[in-house]
Amino acid sequence: GAGVSQSPSNKVTEKGKDVELRCDPISGHTALYWYRQSLGQGLEFLIYFQGNSAPDKSGLPSDRFSAERTGGSVSTLTIQRTQQEDSAVYLCASSYPRDRVTDTQYFGPGTRLTVL
Amino acid sequence: GNSVTQMEGPVTLSEEAFLTINCTYTATGYPSLFWYVQYPGEGLQLLLKATKADDKGSNKGFEATYRKETTSFHLEKGSVQVSDSAVYFCALIPNTGGFKTIFGAGTRLFVKA
Repeated sequence: GAGVSQSPSNKVTEKGKDVELRCDPISGHTALYWYRQSLGQGLEFLIYFQGNSAPDKSGLPSDRFSAERTGGSVSTLTIQRTQQEDSAVYLCASSYPRDRVTDTQYFGPGTRLTVL
Repeated sequence: GNSVTQMEGPVTLSEEAFLTINCTYTATGYPSLFWYVQYPGEGLQLLLKATKADDKGSNKGFEATYRKETTSFHLEKGSVQVSDSAVYFCALIPNTGGFKTIFGAGTRLFVKA
């Protein structure tokens, strides 16, 4: 079946512009994660959605970052007034967690964001 | 707070060599531990996991044992292949509730023929 898809695959923008990154999770997966991977760094957790529960936004680095998930499926990560330090690969993952110990995340290919 | 520390790469080995990638963690209680792998041009995928002390996760010839006493989850493989060249990430999910995953910085492995 189809995996997690993300769009666009690459995005180049100018400093100060807003960008939207999209994630389509695997059908039926109730959990969705956003991560940021900067050059030479590990994955930095940004936000987590699970079903109808309030999202865990504890990883969002500033109020310029926001995310929503419509209808429990597609998610959009929005970065307002982009800065050069926002340049990174943004990864989305989804899972169908029966419980914490069996949660296996399935990752999308990522969106490479470059802020000039 | 919760954290994962991996050995810095890159690690370069010849084919059929023994591989160890060290991973240690800081967390309260008993987190779940994972190894993810990212092959060139592909997305991250789960390699193996362990959920309690002394558990051994294994997959594709790779193994890792959950060591509570040393807070470690080292990845090992007895005989690496060129196709194992990838970036390996150690990760944990704390047992304090929720599914927030903490990843290490990743270790790049190059295997030469």
